[in-house]
Amino acid sequence: AQSVTQPDIHITVSEGASLELRCNYSYGATPYLFWYVQSPGQGLQLLLKYFSGDTLVQGIKGFEAEFKRSQSSFNLRKPSVHWSDAAEYFCAVHTGTASKLTFGTGTRLQVTL
Amino acid sequence: GAGVSQSPSNKVTEKGKDVELRCDPISGHTALYWYRQSLGQGLEFLIYFQGNSAPDKSGLPSDRFSAERTGGSVSTLTIQRTQQEDSAVYLCASTQGGLGNQPQHFGDGTRLSIL
Repeated sequence: AQSVTQPDIHITVSEGASLELRCNYSYGATPYLFWYVQSPGQGLQLLLKYFSGDTLVQGIKGFEAEFKRSQSSFNLRKPSVHWSDAAEYFCAVHTGTASKLTFGTGTRLQVTL
Repeated sequence: GAGVSQSPSNKVTEKGKDVELRCDPISGHTALYWYRQSLGQGLEFLIYFQGNSAPDKSGLPSDRFSAERTGGSVSTLTIQRTQQEDSAVYLCASTQGGLGNQPQHFGDGTRLSIL
């Protein structure tokens, strides 16, 4: 069965600093990969997705992610973090055959001014 | 509205009572999912509906949990004889189809608190 690991439970960065959130997946083939963001009291909002093709994908709010097959990783990056980016970030995979998304445990991002 | 709508947004009830949570998916979306988000457990898949196919109930944690989807649109998640461990945020999502490359659109969830 597929699984997703987000090794960082909590990350703190200063506003304006760069950000990288790690995500590793376990699946035999190339899965469909997603990053979602959740603000307090809100549902999950899709930031970006990877299905195939170019391994660097651009998303909303200035985020990007790079798929690295050799490392089974799909890390999320942002060159300059804004205070409004403080939220919880979830990486998720879908195998294309299973019914569900499998989520990582999330990374809570705190932004200091 | 344009997004997935869930009601109520908050529900507080006593242990042993039954609760019903409602999800109204995006119009035209044939696939609907329920997830549970609880502290220490992350996001857990509960159940999946796709069109007229039999639902995938493999994530339901016990027989106290059930869900239905009437007319291929609105879904209701029912928890009978609630327990304190049922306290969580219940999220609903929908997609245009049941394929894995369709991003799931989430509602804001129902926060359920069992006293």
